[in-house]
Formats: sequence, C-alpha cells, structure tokens
Amino acid sequence: AQSVAQPEDQVNVAEGNPLTVKCTYSVSGNPYLFWYVQYPNRGLQFLLKYITGDNLVKGSYGFEAEFNKSQTSFHLKKPSALVSDSALYFCAVRDPIRGNNRLAFGKGNQVVVIP
Amino acid sequence: DVKVTQSSRYLVKRTGEKVFLECVQDMDHENMFWYRQDPGLGLRLIYFSYDVKMKEKGDIPEGYSVSREKKERFSLILESASTNQTSMYLCASSPGGAPIMNTEAFFGQGTRLTVV
Repeated sequence: AQSVAQPEDQVNVAEGNPLTVKCTYSVSGNPYLFWYVQYPNRGLQFLLKYITGDNLVKGSYGFEAEFNKSQTSFHLKKPSALVSDSALYFCAVRDPIRGNNRLAFGKGNQVVVIP
Repeated sequence: DVKVTQSSRYLVKRTGEKVFLECVQDMDHENMFWYRQDPGLGLRLIYFSYDVKMKEKGDIPEGYSVSREKKERFSLILESASTNQTSMYLCASSPGGAPIMNTEAFFGQGTRLTVV
C-alpha cells in the first residue's frame, strides 16, 4: 500500500529565510503527489500536486515542490518564509496502480516562522 | 469555488450515544471521504464512497459506518460513541470519472468531536 513519511515533527525558520518541508513516499508505480496546508481550526487547503512532466511544480502562495524519483522524495519549498506561513503541512500520495481513490497522508509537519 | 460543508464545527456527545456527522458538497463530485485527524498520527481514512450507495472501508473503519443516499451528501455515523473517538473529523470530496487519480481532494472545515 502507498505511504508517506514526513520525518520532522516541527520545522522552525526565521522570517525571510528559505523554508523546506520534507516528504518521502512509497508506492508500487509512478506516484501522484500532493501538498496541503492546514491553518488552526480549519480544514486542509490544496497547495500543489505532481502528476507527470516537469519535476519542479509551482503552487499557491509562492510554494513549490521538487519531485525526485531516485530519492522517492517530494520536498516542499519556499524561497522566503512569511510569518503567515506558520501552519501544519501535509504531504499525500496516490498509487495509480493499486490505490483506487485513496489519498495516503503523512503525519504532518508543524512549520513555525519566527519574526 | 468548490464548497464542502460539514454540519457542525464542534460537537460534545456522551459515551454510548449514536452520533451523526454530516457532509455536503456542491460540485457534483463522485468521490467523498471521511478522515479523522489526531496529533502525531496525521489523517487516517475511515471510509470513502465513489458513488451513491457505494462505500469502501478505509484504514480504521471499526466503530463507524457511513451513508450515501444522495450524491452530494456523505454521512459518518458513530454507532455507539466512545471516548477514544474524540478527534477532529474531516470530510473531503473529489471528482470521479477518468482520469480520477490526478485530481486533488477538497476538504471541509472539520468537526471537532468530544465524547465525554
């Protein structure tokens, strides 16, 4: 079954510095990969996705993510973090061969941007 | 914009009660999902439905059931609520048809359920 690992519980970064949130995945074939963000007491909001094509994917709010097949990773990045980026970030994967419609989520990363 | 609406933001129920969590989407999506979110565990899939009256168990279906009588509505039922079902519950929907796998899911705002 497909799975996602987000190895860090919390990421602290100073405002204006680059932000990276790590994600690695496990699927049987080529994955469909997603990033979501959750602000306090809210549902999840879609940020970006990788389906096929260019390994660098650009999404909402200045975020981007790089698909690396050899490292089975899909790290989320932002060149210059804002205090308003403080939130919970989830990586998710679908396995197009065996996964049906299931989205498997990681445990989430709390991002804290320090003013 | 896609809208997924969960009927309650906060609920407090007693142990043993039958609890209904309602979710409605307005974009004619075929697929609907129920997740629960717990700190350190992320989102875990309880049930999903890919069509009216169709349902499949997710990873943690025990103690839950679902109902999908109409395309826009997906209900989660706690048959006899227990304290270990205290959690944040998230409903989501996504388009079906082909291709289906590459579409993102749209989430409701969540229902924080406390069972006392």
